Amino acid sequence: SYVLTQPPSVSVAPGQTARITCGGNNIGSKSVHWYQQKPGQAPVLVVYDDSDRPSGIPERFSGSNSGNTATLTISRVEAGDEADYYCQVWESTSDHYVFGSGTKVTVL
Amino acid sequence: QVQLQESGPGLVKPSETLSLTCIVSGGSISNYYWSWIRQPAGKGLEWIGRIYSSGTTNYNPSLKSRVTMSVDTSKNQFSLKLSSVTAADTAVYYCARVGGGYSYGPFDSWGQGTLVTVSS
Repeated sequence: SYVLTQPPSVSVAPGQTARITCGGNNIGSKSVHWYQQKPGQAPVLVVYDDSDRPSGIPERFSGSNSGNTATLTISRVEAGDEADYYCQVWESTSDHYVFGSGTKVTVL
Repeated sequence: QVQLQESGPGLVKPSETLSLTCIVSGGSISNYYWSWIRQPAGKGLEWIGRIYSSGTTNYNPSLKSRVTMSVDTSKNQFSLKLSSVTAADTAVYYCARVGGGYSYGPFDSWGQGTLVTVSS
């Protein structure tokens, strides 16, 4: 089955840039979606189709996808960005969604 | 703005069937895919399956033998049944809409989630 690998944690100082990776075999050929989840809340879509942002999501959130790695980048990190982040793809060979294991972003 | 609300028993006995319903408001259930996702305490997200408004389904291969989804367009709601549950099925269960206008799109709207505990 298709596996998405994320680092368990990323730490970043306020105002700096956080980069969260999502590794998968030839993930560059798939559309990657990213979710933010704060404690006790449902996930929120922050980036879809590799690099598009839903309305209401700050431009500080951006995404890229190439080869075997997709990346969610959070620029000018704020305390409110502290959350778990999950990547997601559709695995077409067996028709199912796959989530990454999640990355906890800590703002120092 | 579409809203989703999960409902169902918060406690299910081992070996029994978990049943949840997701009520969709603020928009039509038609012409969309709808998904169920779960999250055990302190763990990551797991996709359970999806259903199109016409009734077409896709399930997570790891759960396929125990999952049944259905849709009631007249009530603007869809449902999940998970049979033969064990403690490992204890989780917060979310329903979500597949957006983007295509079948493998992102989950653009989510319910608040409902905790289901499997225990005797």
